[in-house]
Amino acid sequence: QKEVEQNSGPLSVPEGAIASLNCTYSDRGSQSFFWYRQYSGKSPELIMFIYSNGDKEDGRFTAQLNKASQYVSLLIRDSQPSDSATYLCAVNLNTNAGKSTFGDGTTLTVKP
Amino acid sequence: DAGVIQSPRHEVTEMGQEVTLRCKPISGHNSLFWYRQTMMRGLELLIYFNNNVPIDDSGMPEDRFSAKMPNASFSTLKIQPSEPRDSAVYFCASRSLPGGASSYNEQFFGPGTRLTVL
Repeated sequence: QKEVEQNSGPLSVPEGAIASLNCTYSDRGSQSFFWYRQYSGKSPELIMFIYSNGDKEDGRFTAQLNKASQYVSLLIRDSQPSDSATYLCAVNLNTNAGKSTFGDGTTLTVKP
Repeated sequence: DAGVIQSPRHEVTEMGQEVTLRCKPISGHNSLFWYRQTMMRGLELLIYFNNNVPIDDSGMPEDRFSAKMPNASFSTLKIQPSEPRDSAVYFCASRSLPGGASSYNEQFFGPGTRLTVL
């Protein structure tokens, strides 16, 4: 079993719809969780992080964390064509100084 | 701030040659990461440093790979000898440790070096 698993994708949604991206992790001791966006040919950039159970909202993005189920998700409301990218889930065992383990990513296409 | 700087951006070499990738982290960051990304294996952590000291090199594929961080503003990843299966995009990322500029553990990635070994 991989340490961090994401929807295999690709995921395609129409413009204006909600895109839902999912991630599960194997280590119950994981403490911090990140979503990076990577455009084709570019480097990953952080868009959301979450440490506590529940929801965290930032504009059109909402991260959801359920530590009991070892599950973290990213919702993108009112999806735009500019949201088309690969989304990488990353998990840290330690909140502070540790390394991040990345999932393989889910490629999202938002169709106009 | 210029962000994380990597050089070269593209490298094409022949099997058996030595390859050196370079990284300058963001000033003030004291944690540095080297990743490799391929379609087959995704984004893999190779090695990371805290305060110029290697902390975890368990991702380094084999002895052909080595990494150094002689000071806080420079790191190298060397492959000797290179093989076609080393072809990938190599990313360097940096981050502040707690108490520094960022408290959110965010890693800032460089633009990457696309390596092709023929």
